Amino acid sequence: GENVEQHPSTLSVQEGDSAVIKCTYSDSASNYFPWYKQELGKGPQLIIDIRSNVGEKKDQRIAVTLNKTAKHFSLHITETQPEDSAVYFCAATYTGNQFYFGTGTSLTVIP
Amino acid sequence: KAGVTQTPRYLIKTRGQQVTLSCSPISGHRSVSWYQQTPGQGLQFLFEYFSETQRNKGNFPGRFSGRQFSNSRSEMNVSTLELGDSALYLCASWRAGGANEQFFGPGTRLTVL
Repeated sequence: GENVEQHPSTLSVQEGDSAVIKCTYSDSASNYFPWYKQELGKGPQLIIDIRSNVGEKKDQRIAVTLNKTAKHFSLHITETQPEDSAVYFCAATYTGNQFYFGTGTSLTVIP
Repeated sequence: KAGVTQTPRYLIKTRGQQVTLSCSPISGHRSVSWYQQTPGQGLQFLFEYFSETQRNKGNFPGRFSGRQFSNSRSEMNVSTLELGDSALYLCASWRAGGANEQFFGPGTRLTVL
C-alpha cells in the first residue's frame, strides 16, 4: 500500500512568517492529495487539496505544490497568524476508498 | 448542510468490556471510513464502507468490527477492550466515485481503564 511521510513533526514560527510542511508518498498511482487541519478537541478539517493533474493550487494564504516526479507535495502558509496553530496532516489516495495519512505536524505560531 | 456527527463524544470503559460507536454521514454521502487516532500512531485506517458493504479493512485485530446501514449511518464495535484501545475514533464521509474530499466528524474519545 501507499506510505506517506511528513516532516517536520513540530514547527514553530513567528507571527507573520511563512510555514512549510512537506510530505512524500510512495505510490505513483496516487492522484489526490488533501491537507487537513486539526484543532484541539476537533476532527480534522480539509483546508486545501490538489489532484495529480495540477502542480500548484492556492487559496488566500494557503498553497499546495505537487511534484509528481519526485513524489512529494508541500503545504505553504504565508503571513501566519496565531489561529493557524494546530496539527496539520497530509494524505494521499489513488482509489478514493482508502486515504493514507502522514503522521502530522504540530504548528505553533508565536505572537 | 449538517456535518458528520458522532456519538457519543466521550466514553469511559474498563478492560474486557465492549463498546459501540455511531457515525451519521453528511446527507447524500454513501461512503464512510473509520480511523483510530493516537498520539504515537497518527491516523490509522480501520475500515471503509459503501452501500452497506465493507470495501477495505486496515490492519486491526478482529475485535474491531463495523457495519453500515441502508441510510448510510455506520457503527463500529470493539469487543474485549484493552488499555491500548484508548484513542480518538474518527469517522469520515464522502461522495462515492473516485478520490473525493473526506469530511471528518468530531470523533469519539474512548478511554479504557
